[in-house]
Amino acid sequence: DSGVTQTPKHLITATGQRVTLRCSPRSGDLSVYWYQQSLDQGLQFLIQYYNGEERAKGNILERFSAQQFPDLHSELNLSSLELGDSALYFCASSVASLTYNEQFFGPGTRLTVL
Amino acid sequence: GEDVEQSLFLSVREGDSSVINCTYTDSSSTYLYWYKQEPGAGLQLLTYIFSNMDMKQDQRLTVLLNKKDKHLSLRIADTQTGDSAIYFCAENVFRGGSYIPTFGRGTSLIVHP
Repeated sequence: DSGVTQTPKHLITATGQRVTLRCSPRSGDLSVYWYQQSLDQGLQFLIQYYNGEERAKGNILERFSAQQFPDLHSELNLSSLELGDSALYFCASSVASLTYNEQFFGPGTRLTVL
Repeated sequence: GEDVEQSLFLSVREGDSSVINCTYTDSSSTYLYWYKQEPGAGLQLLTYIFSNMDMKQDQRLTVLLNKKDKHLSLRIADTQTGDSAIYFCAENVFRGGSYIPTFGRGTSLIVHP
């Protein structure tokens, strides 16, 4: 158990809909990262938050947004969903984002868009 | 740009050594990592190496780093069926004030009796 929790575990929805994925980092970790894992793209970095502020952006679509709240949990919002958004979404946390950066991953949310 | 490449599959017999290879692109990467993903789970850090090292050994794991060729390898000695998993190589990439591990696609290690 990494100490990172993600809800829900599975999500099935229709194209055009909007969903929210939630992540609670390990106690004491200030950084939260979101990744998308799919068969064709591998593990893609989406976005990082550090202590409530957006710190780094990766291959995140404009239809996707995220935030980190004062209690450090984070939410990833996916809107106008397309079939191609079906994937595993991982949240990871770390103490900071220094040069050595061990990330602790949650179990993931599997999103299926029908 | 950043691109971490690794082969997709490796099949070995139980008791043999496994070697998983990876190439990365960012010569300024300070740390390189190996993560393991078991079925239905998230990734878990297996080991890492600092960029000024050539080799790191940790029990059955040996990491070799060739900075000139930007090549990283993970050797698992005496591979067991419990080692069957997906192994991800990752390099640290500096983005917007943070070091972000950038992952390869992962190598599926299949260990058969």
